Amino acid sequence: AQSVTQPDIHITVSEGASLELRCNYSYGATPYLFWYVQSPGQGLQLLLKYFSGDTLVQGIKGFEAEFKRSQSSFNLRKPSVHWSDAAEYFCAVGPFSGNTGKLIFGQGTTLQVKP
Amino acid sequence: DADVTQTPRNRITKTGKRIMLECSQTKGHDRMYWYRQDPGLGLRLIYYSFDVKDINKGEISDGYSVSRQAQAKFSLSLESAIPNQTALYFCATSDKGQFYGYTFGSGTRLTVV
Repeated sequence: AQSVTQPDIHITVSEGASLELRCNYSYGATPYLFWYVQSPGQGLQLLLKYFSGDTLVQGIKGFEAEFKRSQSSFNLRKPSVHWSDAAEYFCAVGPFSGNTGKLIFGQGTTLQVKP
Repeated sequence: DADVTQTPRNRITKTGKRIMLECSQTKGHDRMYWYRQDPGLGLRLIYYSFDVKDINKGEISDGYSVSRQAQAKFSLSLESAIPNQTALYFCATSDKGQFYGYTFGSGTRLTVV
């Protein structure tokens, strides 16, 4: 069955430090992969997506993610974290056969940024 | 105005009450979805709709029903609310053609007491 795992429930980094959030998926074919961010009290905003082609994807707010087929991973990275990056981050995979448009989401990773 | 609008933003209701959460969109998207978010569980799909006449159950549809009144409107109902339906509910939309991901509403925080 298709699934998405975000192994880290909570991560704390210092402002200015680098960041990597992990995402692993289980899917029978090359998936579409997404990272969303949810700021407190807000909906989910798309950070970046991977459909095909270059496995290193650039997104908004200085984020990037790398698709590694051999590891079934799509980790999110940022070279230097800002206090405003504190939020919850969700990895998602889909859509599935028949182009149902359904996404499966990971459990989420909460990012705390220390001054 | 937001592309996807959910009302109400917050709601407290009593066990056994019927409640409706509403979603409207100006994206012109055919596909609409209802998810619920619980801490540590991520987002789980309740129902989705590809057009006005096409309604489908998601992974956790028990206790919920939906109505697609028009292309732009998709409502979620809890016929008899129970405390474990306390959650953050999100409506999302996507295009029928090339899939680029979802556009989300801001969410409805529902508390059942």
